[in-house]
Amino acid sequence: AAGVIQSPRHLIKEKRETATLKCYPIPRHDTVYWYQQGPGQDPQFLISFYEKMQSDKGSIPDRFSAQQFSDYHSELNMSSLELGDSALYFCASSLGLTSYNEQFFGPGTRLTVL
Amino acid sequence: KQEVTQIPAALSVPEGENLVLNCSFTDSAIYNLQWFRQDPGKGLTSLLLIQSSQREQTSGRLNASLDKSSGRSTLYIAASQPGDSATYLCAVRVAGGSYIPTFGRGTSLIVHP
Repeated sequence: AAGVIQSPRHLIKEKRETATLKCYPIPRHDTVYWYQQGPGQDPQFLISFYEKMQSDKGSIPDRFSAQQFSDYHSELNMSSLELGDSALYFCASSLGLTSYNEQFFGPGTRLTVL
Repeated sequence: KQEVTQIPAALSVPEGENLVLNCSFTDSAIYNLQWFRQDPGKGLTSLLLIQSSQREQTSGRLNASLDKSSGRSTLYIAASQPGDSATYLCAVRVAGGSYIPTFGRGTSLIVHP
C-alpha cells in the first residue's frame, strides 16, 4: 500500500539559509499535518491543512510557512534557519479532518542546520 | 491541556521476556489512543489504535489496553525479540477538541540477545 512520501530525507543547511520540505500524502487523503521532533523530544504539531486550506496551527515559528497544493501535496518553507531548527520533520496524512480518521506518518526529513 | 506521560523512559531486557509499557494521560475524555514504534532517526509506525469505546486491541505479539477512567493505557509485548528494540510512543486525541494528537515522550526499549 502506498505510504506518505517526504523529500528530501536528509538536508543540511547553514544558518540563515532557507529550506523547503515536501510531503506527498497517501492517495485520496485530503489532510496533511506537519510535526517537528527535536532530539529526545516528542513530536510537536506545527500546522495542518484540509482541502488546501490551513485548518489548525500549532507551535510554528513565524519564519516558517506552509501550503497545500491542488494535488494535495504540501510544502513547508523554512527561512532564516537557526541551529535550533535542527530536527526531524514529519508529515502525516489522513482522509478527512476528524479525530476518527487515523493519521499515517511519513518517514521524516532530517534537517541539520550548521 | 492534555498531558501524556510514559513510564519507564528507558528499558533494557533480555530476549524472551514479556514487557509492559505504560502510558498515562490527564484528560480522560479522549477520542482514541494510538501506539507507535519509532526506530532511531526514522518515522513513526502505527502499531495499534484503540477507540474510546474499546478496552483493548491485539496485533500479533502486541496487546494494548485502555482504561479511560484511570487515564491509562498499557502496551504488552510478548516474548520480546531484539528486533523489537525501538522507541514506543503513545498519542491521544481529546474528544470534542482539537484532532491533533498529544504525544508522550516515549519509552526507549532495548532487547538484547
